[in-house]
Amino acid sequence: QQQVKQSPQSLIVQKGGISIINCAYENTAFDYFPWYQQFPGKGPALLIAIRPDVSEKKEGRFTISFNKSAKQFSLHIMDSQPGDSATYFCAAKGVAGNKLTFGGGTRVLVKP
Amino acid sequence: DVKVTQSSRYLVKRTGEKVFLECVQDMDHENMFWYRQDPGLGLRLIYFSYDVKMKEKGDIPEGYSVSREKKERFSLILESASTNQTSMYLCASSGLAGGQDTQYFGPGTRLTVL
Repeated sequence: QQQVKQSPQSLIVQKGGISIINCAYENTAFDYFPWYQQFPGKGPALLIAIRPDVSEKKEGRFTISFNKSAKQFSLHIMDSQPGDSATYFCAAKGVAGNKLTFGGGTRVLVKP
Repeated sequence: DVKVTQSSRYLVKRTGEKVFLECVQDMDHENMFWYRQDPGLGLRLIYFSYDVKMKEKGDIPEGYSVSREKKERFSLILESASTNQTSMYLCASSGLAGGQDTQYFGPGTRLTVL
């Protein structure tokens, strides 16, 4: 059973559009929520992360929105570019330890 | 730059073979991890290690073992490979970046068991 559920599994967006990926978690002990980006043939790399004491974090065209009461968080990619085409994973980490629990991944394709 | 390297990008083995996947990191990180990546299931943790000779089971350890004899090297062992272990295997190490423990991944090994 997946403790972090991610949707959609795949997404096609036009260049300049907004990509939105959603994640939901169950474990209230999670206190750190990173997003990883993976290009074909590469390992995942940290993109952006948030802690539950803030509701939003923005870095360039990437924004995380966090809803603690609903136990949901989402990644918004503004002005999507073909170079953003990749697989995106949300993840969550508990207070104790360094283990990450990953969502199932979303393959994003940005059409020119 | 953190570098995590994995010994093979592609590997083809036969059912019943013993398989070794090697991972090396160059950042003196304490923690190292082995995941498998399958479509729709994301990354699932097999084993991790927080120190030399120390290991802990992850979420799906069955059929796997690990070895960490040196800080920079973490090996994943499939004692008797089976077809359901065909997958992408990712190694990671973690260290502090911006005040938060961050995992850095290798490029992965795509293992096919025939």
